[in-house]
Formats: sequence, structure tokens, C-alpha cells
Amino acid sequence: ELKVEQNPLFLSMQEGKNYTIYCNYSTTSDRLYWYRQDPGKSLESLFVLLSNGAVKQEGRLMASLDTKARLSTLHITAAVHDLSATYFCAVDESGGSNYKLTFGKGTLLTVNP
Amino acid sequence: DAGITQSPRHKVTETGTPVTLRCHQTENHRYMYWYRQDPGHGLRLIHYSYGVKDTDKGEVSDGYSVSRSKTEDFLLTLESATSSQTSVYFCAISGRGAESGYTEAFFGQGTRLTVV
Repeated sequence: ELKVEQNPLFLSMQEGKNYTIYCNYSTTSDRLYWYRQDPGKSLESLFVLLSNGAVKQEGRLMASLDTKARLSTLHITAAVHDLSATYFCAVDESGGSNYKLTFGKGTLLTVNP
Repeated sequence: DAGITQSPRHKVTETGTPVTLRCHQTENHRYMYWYRQDPGHGLRLIHYSYGVKDTDKGEVSDGYSVSRSKTEDFLLTLESATSSQTSVYFCAISGRGAESGYTEAFFGQGTRLTVV
């Protein structure tokens, strides 16, 4: 059974600071996704990482994937309050014709002034 | 936004009653999923479908059944609702993408279900 672990689960940081959220998973996969969820809302796709060494950046967020280490990171640069949300990583465990995502428990990020 | 509609958006039901949640898509995507979201657990897969009448169980399928009689609709039924099934339920879809086999999953707005 695929396990996806995120850490930290709770992150409180000051505006302007940098931090990294980690996502470890337990099986071979080269497809990993990051989502954002605002309170009471649905999930919004942030990044799609499809190969070892993939790096994607959008604004103050940068995601990377190391399939050999089974690790993805979401790096936050110079955090601003608008980044406060819950961030999920999800791993595609199929490797074949059936495709389904297993999610981590999420990281609740709070950015304080 | 991906064309996914969940109904109802909110429901309160009594223990022991059957409940059906509907997910409707306009994207003609092959895959459809039902997840539940609970504090401390993230999102957990209940069932998913990889085609019309093709479904499979996820990690928390006990007490739930699904049906997909046409591409656009995926129904989740709680056969006899229990308080432990109080949750937020999300439907998601995915299909063929340009870069790889499949796109990421796109989520509906969620259904908040309360079992009293």
C-alpha cells in the first residue's frame, strides 16, 4: 500500500521568510502533484511533476521531484499572507493503465505579518 | 475551470438512511473519483472509475457503493448512513493530457454531508 507522508503538518511562518514542505512516498512513481486548498474550498492544482529532476515554479512557490529518493519538495520564497492555505502532495501509484492518486495529510501553512 | 458539478452541496440525513451523491462532468474524462476529507486524514479515496461500468475500491470503501452508467455521471451511495460517514466528499476527474498519459485530477466543489 502506498504511503505518502508530508511534513510538517503545521507550519507557521512570518512574511518574508523562506521554508520548505516535504513529501515522501513509499513506492516507485514518477508522477507527483501539488494542490492548494483554501478553507471551505475545493482543491486547486498547483504543480504537475512527471519525471525525476522535474522542477516547476509559479510565483513564490517552487516544486521539485527526486524519484530516486522518493521525495518532492515545495519551497516557499519570501512568504506573503496570501499563501496561507493547506498544501497537499499526491502521488500517482498506478504505473500502469489504471490511474489514481494517493494524498498526503496536508500541510496547513499560516503566514503571519 | 474543469466542468465538474457535485450535488447536493450540503445534506443532513439520519442514521440508517441511504444517501446518494452525484458527480457530473462535462469534460468527457475517463477517470472519476470519490474522496472523503476529514480533519487529520487528508483526502482518502473511496472508489474510483476508469470507464463506464468499470469501478474499483479505494482505501475506505466499506459502507459505500458506486455506479457509473455513462461517462459523465458517477454516483456514490451510502447504503445505510452512519455518523462516521459525516464528512466532506469530493469528486475528481482526470483524462488524457498532452505531456503524459493523464492529467492531474480536477476537483469538484465538494458535498458536506452530516449524518445525525
